Amino acid sequence: AQTVTQSQPEMSVQEAETVTLSCTYDTSESNYYLFWYKQPPSRQMILVIRQEAYKQQNATENRFSVNFQKAAKSFSLKISDSQLGDTAMYFCAFMNDSGGGADGLTFGKGTHLIIQP
Amino acid sequence: NAGVMQNPRHLVRRRGQEARLRCSPMKGHSHVYWYRQLPEEGLKFMVYLQKENIIDESGMPKERFSAEFPKEGPSILRIQQVVRGDSAAYFCASSPRYGRGPTLHFGNGTRLTVT
Repeated sequence: AQTVTQSQPEMSVQEAETVTLSCTYDTSESNYYLFWYKQPPSRQMILVIRQEAYKQQNATENRFSVNFQKAAKSFSLKISDSQLGDTAMYFCAFMNDSGGGADGLTFGKGTHLIIQP
Repeated sequence: NAGVMQNPRHLVRRRGQEARLRCSPMKGHSHVYWYRQLPEEGLKFMVYLQKENIIDESGMPKERFSAEFPKEGPSILRIQQVVRGDSAAYFCASSPRYGRGPTLHFGNGTRLTVT
């Protein structure tokens, strides 16, 4: 079974700073997908960024980028120029490449990110 | 294109009652997943369904919980004889009918409170 570990329960930074959220995972699979989801107080789960394990290039979405280290099984999220609206729980998630996602997503316990004005 | 719709948003039940949670997937999506989120925890996989089929229910408690996704209508997660420990947020997600790591789109969840 896969496990996803987020070692930072809570982080707080000033607005406009850069922050990095860490995530490690454990799997014996060679092909898989990694995700970061954001959950604001509204409770909605919002996809932030997605990475295919077979791609060496790190995914980027505007101010959000990842540092994917496959050998180290590490998948950190970097948020540049942080904004007040980035305040939320952030969940790292793993999915097997099983041709349909029969295993669903395995989530970490989350990091509560607080952006201070 | 409407997103994944879940209702009700909040549901209060007394111990021993039944809870029915509904999920309408995004248009064109035929795969549905249910997750449970306990306080201070990440989401835990419960069940994966396609139309009229349960594909993987390895995360579902063996008793009192059931799920269906009929040919017509929403997917239903049913909890019989609820207990206080069932209090949680229940999320539904859907994905389109293709393989290779589909991206799941989540609904806003149903918060179940058992009194």
